[in-house]
Parts: sequence; C-alpha cells; structure tokens
Amino acid sequence: DAGVTQSPTHLIKTRGQQVTLRCSPKSGHDTVSWYQQALGQGPQFIFQYYEEEERQRGNFPDRFSGHQFPNYSSELNVNALLLGDSALYLCASSLEGRGFGNTIYFGEGSWLTVV
Amino acid sequence: AQTVTQSQPEMSVQEAETVTLSCTYDTSENNYYLFWYKQPPSRQMILVIRQEAYKQQNATENRFSVNFQKAAKSFSLKISDSQLGDTAMYFCAFMTHGSSNTGKLIFGQGTTLQVKP
Repeated sequence: DAGVTQSPTHLIKTRGQQVTLRCSPKSGHDTVSWYQQALGQGPQFIFQYYEEEERQRGNFPDRFSGHQFPNYSSELNVNALLLGDSALYLCASSLEGRGFGNTIYFGEGSWLTVV
Repeated sequence: AQTVTQSQPEMSVQEAETVTLSCTYDTSENNYYLFWYKQPPSRQMILVIRQEAYKQQNATENRFSVNFQKAAKSFSLKISDSQLGDTAMYFCAFMTHGSSNTGKLIFGQGTTLQVKP
C-alpha cells in the first residue's frame, strides 16, 4: 500500500519563475492538504482540497494556488517565486468523515530552493 | 486564532533515560485534538501520539506518553527508555474539530531531540 508520494523531491528555481509540485494521496484517501516548512520551523498550512475544491486556506498570498484531480491527486502551484518561498513543501492526505479516527499521513516533501 | 508554543528548541538525553518535551497551546475552542509528530532527517512527518481534548485519560503508545492538562492548555510528551532512533525533530500540533472532520493542523516551532549513546 503506497503512502503519500510527492514529486519532485528537490528542485531549484529562479526568482520570478513558476513551480508546480505534485502529490498522490495514500490509497483510499480523498482529502489533500499542503504545508510549507521553512528551515528550522514548523509546517504552516497553505490550503486543503476536497472534492476537487479548495476547502480551507491558510495565510498565503494568491501566488499560491492548487488543484485536485478526480483521482484525488493534487498540485501546488506557486507563481512569481520569491527567495522567501524556499522551503520544504509537505503534502498530507486523509479520509473525510472519519473524525478523530482519521489519521493524517504525510509525504516526504519537495525541497524548493529559489535563487 | 489558535497558537502552539514549544519553548525548548533543543534537548538531549542519554540512551535508556527519560525525557519530557513541553508544549502549550492557546484556543477558545472546547473540542479539539492534540498531536505529537516526529520528523527524522528523512523529513517525513510521523505521528507519534494523539489526544482528544474531551478525554481525561492521558494517551499512551508504548514508550511514549502525554501529560494533558486542559485547564493549563499544556500537552507534554514523555519518552521513556530513549533510543538512538528517537533522535529527530518533534512537533506538537493542534487541530479543531469544526464543520469538517478533517481540519488543518497548527504546528509548534519544534524541539530537536538528540539521544546520545
């Protein structure tokens, strides 16, 4: 049973460019959340997707956008990259409606370096 | 707004000894969940233990246990018989149980734990 998979694992982009990160949720999961983790900090919630719609959003600018596909996989897009966007981007998946029994699984993340 | 605070940036413990990591949180909610996650150098976030706010009994998972003090908004993690594999960054996290059963996690800043041989 594959867990949460993310791609790419590492990438380097130039300021002003755009980046797309991808996530496949754990088998059977229908909800995907994205987090940004700066070096030495705790993860910060970006947004959550369920039924192909953004359901919750954290305090991130509109440069951060996402998408969820019918197979529940998801993409995170960041436009007009800034140096401060350099971070580990974590994807987490879960199953809606399970309440507290719902375990949230994380992927290993995508390291983004903006130069 | 909910916040989670971990006041110990770094801690160390000798192998086989016991260590306690501290966490405090702030919320006006009454129904919520608390978690401890471990993040080893591989960077994958791994759930260590979780606690429902309405439960008085402290959660226990093998060598890991919590001391949940709801009135004080405190949620500490005790690791007994520390092992070298426990070396990692530990995050305390909070989640409300709102209109959606799958809420967002709010993390603390983390505590780096080093287990020494």
